[in-house]
Amino acid sequence: DAGVTQSPTHLIKTRGQQVTLRCSPISGHKSVSWYQQVLGQGPQFIFQYYEKEERGRGNFPDRFSARQFPNYSSELNVNALLLGDSALYLCASSLLPNEKLFFGSGTQLSVL
Amino acid sequence: AQSVSQHNHHVILSEAASLELGCNYSYGGTVNLFWYVQYPGQHLQLLLKYFSGDPLVKGIKGFEAEFIKSKFSFNLRKPSVQWSDTAEYFCAVNPSWGGNEKLTFGTGTRLTIIP
Repeated sequence: DAGVTQSPTHLIKTRGQQVTLRCSPISGHKSVSWYQQVLGQGPQFIFQYYEKEERGRGNFPDRFSARQFPNYSSELNVNALLLGDSALYLCASSLLPNEKLFFGSGTQLSVL
Repeated sequence: AQSVSQHNHHVILSEAASLELGCNYSYGGTVNLFWYVQYPGQHLQLLLKYFSGDPLVKGIKGFEAEFIKSKFSFNLRKPSVQWSDTAEYFCAVNPSWGGNEKLTFGTGTRLTIIP
C-alpha cells in the first residue's frame, strides 16, 4: 500500500514568490495535517483538515493557507515567501482526526 | 499552550548499552503523549503512545516509556540498544480532548549507536 505521498520533494523559490505543496493521504484516510520542520527543530503544527473542513490551525500568519479536496488530498499554499519559510513541510494523514498519524517524507522548501 | 522539552540533544551510546531519553511537557490539563522516530532517510513514524491507563507503555522494537504525571515526564527507555536504533527521536504531546491535531513536538534527540 502506498503511504502518504508529497510533491514536489524539493523546491527552490525566491522571496516574495508563492508556493503550493501537495499531499495525497493513504487511501481511506480522511484527515490531513500539515507541519513545518525547521532545521534543528521539531515539527510545528500548521493546519488540520477533516472532511474538507479546517479543524485546527497553528500559530502561523495568514500567508499560509490550505484546503482539502473531495478525494481527501490536500494543498498547502504559502504567499509572499520569506527567508524564514525555508523548512521541511510534512504532511500526515489518519483515518479519523484522533487516530494514529502517518507522515510523508516531506517537501524541502528553500527560499533564496 | 502546551510545550515539550527534550534536554538531550545528541546521545552517543555503544551497542547493548541501556537508553533513557528525557521528555518533559508543560500543560495544565490532561494530555496524550507520543514518541516518534525518524530513521536516516525515512519519514517520521510512531514509536509508542500514551492516552490513558497503565502509565508504562510498550512500543515497537523493544522501546517503552513511562508517564509520571507528578513530574510531567514521559521518558523513553530501551534496555539494550542496537546499531539500527540510530535515529532522531521526538517526544510530542496534545491535549486529551484534541485528538491528534495540534501535536506539539520537542526539538528532538539525535541518537547515535556505535557498533
